[in-house]
Amino acid sequence: GAVVSQHPSWVICKSGTSVKIECRSLDFQATTMFWYRQFPKQSLMLMATSNEGSKATYEQGVEKDKFLINHASLTLSTLTVTSAHPEDSSFYICSASRGRVYEQYFGPGTRLTVT
Amino acid sequence: QQQVKQSPQSLIVQKGGISIINCAYENTAFDYFPWYQQFPGKGPALLIAIRPDVSEKKEGRFTISFNKSAKQFSLHIMDSQPGDSATYFCAASEYQGGKLIFGQGTELSVKP
Repeated sequence: GAVVSQHPSWVICKSGTSVKIECRSLDFQATTMFWYRQFPKQSLMLMATSNEGSKATYEQGVEKDKFLINHASLTLSTLTVTSAHPEDSSFYICSASRGRVYEQYFGPGTRLTVT
Repeated sequence: QQQVKQSPQSLIVQKGGISIINCAYENTAFDYFPWYQQFPGKGPALLIAIRPDVSEKKEGRFTISFNKSAKQFSLHIMDSQPGDSATYFCAASEYQGGKLIFGQGTELSVKP
């Protein structure tokens, strides 16, 4: 149990376009979802926390107008990278938590390349 | 104070040996300490976790040792195998459903 999926697994887009990444909890209801960014050989950097039906809480330094997060249901959260630029190229990973429990379950990640 | 410091950055161990990775924290409000294993191009997978009410937790070849007074915890991988070669992250969380603070990661290589 506790499986999280992401779609797409990799995406290439042109500079200036927008890209949407989906994160789904497949076998549980995720009251809280988290979005991370990871550069090669580095740790995970938390971008934002989202609760179903509420606005996302962004970490300091993360542009909320650039990284749009929507947590529309208890099984789906989306991250939209708007007006993408090459410096947005990274590995984006989501995780999901089942409410008032400690465990976070991570998705397989999405590799974004902006050309 | 929110940092979790992890060492070493990289580790090479012979097959059958013991891999030891250490983490230290400052925030005494942390009360959940998981370890994650990540293979290249994949998301992290929860390996084992501990709460401060115990000093050690063992699951198969993986053991967490926790020292509350020193604010340190470590992961021991017994009988290390080449398939254990991955990056390991320690983390800490302050409350249920809260965000995780990750260590810098340790790249483990187990030589056959």
